[in-house]
Amino acid sequence: AQKVTQAQTEISVVEKEDVTLDCVYETRDTTYYLFWYKQPPSGELVFLIRRNSFDEQNEISGRYSWNFQKSTSSFNFTITASQVVDSAVYFCALSPNNAGNMLTFGGGTRLMVKP
Amino acid sequence: DVKVTQSSRYLVKRTGEKVFLECVQDMDHENMFWYRQDPGLGLRLIYFSYDVKMKEKGDIPEGYSVSREKKERFSLILESASTNQTSMYLCASNPLGGGGETQYFGPGTRLLVL
Repeated sequence: AQKVTQAQTEISVVEKEDVTLDCVYETRDTTYYLFWYKQPPSGELVFLIRRNSFDEQNEISGRYSWNFQKSTSSFNFTITASQVVDSAVYFCALSPNNAGNMLTFGGGTRLMVKP
Repeated sequence: DVKVTQSSRYLVKRTGEKVFLECVQDMDHENMFWYRQDPGLGLRLIYFSYDVKMKEKGDIPEGYSVSREKKERFSLILESASTNQTSMYLCASNPLGGGGETQYFGPGTRLLVL
């Protein structure tokens, strides 16, 4: 069985603060994929990143960075210098390495960035 | 750009009504998925389909059925809507691939059952 836990249900920060969203997962698969999605108030899930289990390099994309640590089964997401437009619900998800491509989602973290 | 569209953004139905939620994707993807989203529970898979006329149950199929008559279209059916089916419904699609293919989502349908 697979499980994704996002312990932070809601985070509130002031603009320009850095914020880290935690994601911890459980799986018995040796090969798997991890994802982060953003859901703005409009409702549509927007894909942010996909990482496979063999690639533990951290990734940076503009103000976004991801820290994948297999040893602690974590895939944390950091937003640097947060902006009001970053306010959204963020989901971490896990997919096994099979053709079914099914995703197991965490409960989501609601991020509120105040001006 | 991948485009997944859903027939309605908002729906209000009465208990016992039959409800159809339609999803269409334009990227020739083999796989299509229906999820429901509830606060604190994230997204839970209702059904998915990996080919025309094929379907597989997800984690919470009870009270739902699906139909996939054409590759681009995947319908979710609530045979007799109940108040506990009030939720946000999201459709997604991805190519078959070898595993871990990114899913692309539609805008969602907020369903209220009175």
